[in-house]
Amino acid sequence: GENVEQHPSTLSVQEGDSAVIKCTYSDSASNYFPWYKQELGKRPQLIIDIRSNVGEKKDQRIAVTLNKTAKHFSLHITETQPEDSAVYFCAATANAGNMLTFGGGTRLMVKP
Amino acid sequence: ETGVTQTPRHLVMGMTNKKSLKCEQHLGHNAMYWYKQSAKKPLELMFVYSLEERVENNSVPSRFSPECPNSSHLFLHLHTLQPEDSALYLCASSQDWRNTIYFGEGSWLTVV
Repeated sequence: GENVEQHPSTLSVQEGDSAVIKCTYSDSASNYFPWYKQELGKRPQLIIDIRSNVGEKKDQRIAVTLNKTAKHFSLHITETQPEDSAVYFCAATANAGNMLTFGGGTRLMVKP
Repeated sequence: ETGVTQTPRHLVMGMTNKKSLKCEQHLGHNAMYWYKQSAKKPLELMFVYSLEERVENNSVPSRFSPECPNSSHLFLHLHTLQPEDSALYLCASSQDWRNTIYFGEGSWLTVV
């Protein structure tokens, strides 16, 4: 089955800096890669996703890149703000029948 | 704003008690999930139901018993739990069991 590794487990940045979180996956058939943000005490919420037919997707300050050859994908947050502080989870799945497999999470702390 | 509602939001129970967690989704989805979230394992899939049939059971102890009476409702029946079962239990739903997952707010369970 699918295995998703996420790094780093914690990340501390200064407000205004960029943050990058990386995930690798094992199943080459995976073709859908969502990212979830979970603020303290709240539910995980989908913030962006990408499918394997594109290499990059942007939504304002966040972007996701996908390298299918290397089997890794990354979340990029630019101009970080304190409200970006949260735990971020990556996930991967193959439409052939596998469910979403989540990475271990990254705790992002943005210092004002 | 969430289409997935969970009750109760907080539950404290003794090890000999029997209680149930309830989840309801208003999104017209066909798949529902129970996840356990604790400090040691951030997002641990417990059960998956697709069209009211159990699709996956990730070796969960029998003291957790799921019930899916229809595609909109999911229960998690709890009995003779252990203190290590204390965690946030998240319900989720998706259009089908291979698509984007939408989480509820979670039920915080403390076993004393």
